[in-house]
Amino acid sequence: AQSVSQHNHHVILSEAASLELGCNYSYGGTVNLFWYVQYPGQHLQLLLKYFSGDPLVKGIKGFEAEFIKSKFSFNLRKPSVQWSDTAEYFCAVNAISGGGADGLTFGKGTHLIIQP
Amino acid sequence: DAGVIQSPRHEVTEMGQEVTLRCKPISGHDYLFWYRQTMMRGLELLIYFNNNVPIDDSGMPEDRFSAKMPNASFSTLKIQPSEPRDSAVYFCASSGRGYGYTFGSGTRLTVV
Repeated sequence: AQSVSQHNHHVILSEAASLELGCNYSYGGTVNLFWYVQYPGQHLQLLLKYFSGDPLVKGIKGFEAEFIKSKFSFNLRKPSVQWSDTAEYFCAVNAISGGGADGLTFGKGTHLIIQP
Repeated sequence: DAGVIQSPRHEVTEMGQEVTLRCKPISGHDYLFWYRQTMMRGLELLIYFNNNVPIDDSGMPEDRFSAKMPNASFSTLKIQPSEPRDSAVYFCASSGRGYGYTFGSGTRLTVV
């Protein structure tokens, strides 16, 4: 079974700082990778996803992530954060088997707080 | 498109009562997933369906939990009897190919 590890449980940054949230997964086969954001009291929204092709993926709100297969990593980045980026961020993976994709496995999440 | 619709948004019930959570997936999506979110355990996959058939229910915590999908546009997650430790936010998600997922707004369940 696959698993996802997010290195930072809580991150506090000032506005305009650069952001990188770490995500590593464990699974020997082919995977799809996702980053979701959850604003306080709301549901999960997709930031970006990687299925195949260019390992550098650009998502909404200025976020991007890079898939490094050799490191089993899919780190999320944003060059300049805003106060409105305060939220919980989840990395997720699903394994691709012969019959299709399984359900998503989520990391524990990173609580990001942006200080004005 | 109205997205994935869950009801109710909030549910408060007494221990021992039956609770039924409902989900309407996006039309045309053939995968449906039920997740539970708690502070302690994060997001856990409980069960998922493909073309209305349960594929993997290994995440269902115990026999008190059951899920059905009688047709392509409706699914229920039932807890009977409910216990305080079942308190959580329950999310339903649907997908068109099993690869991308759209989540509903969730049901916040409180069992007292």
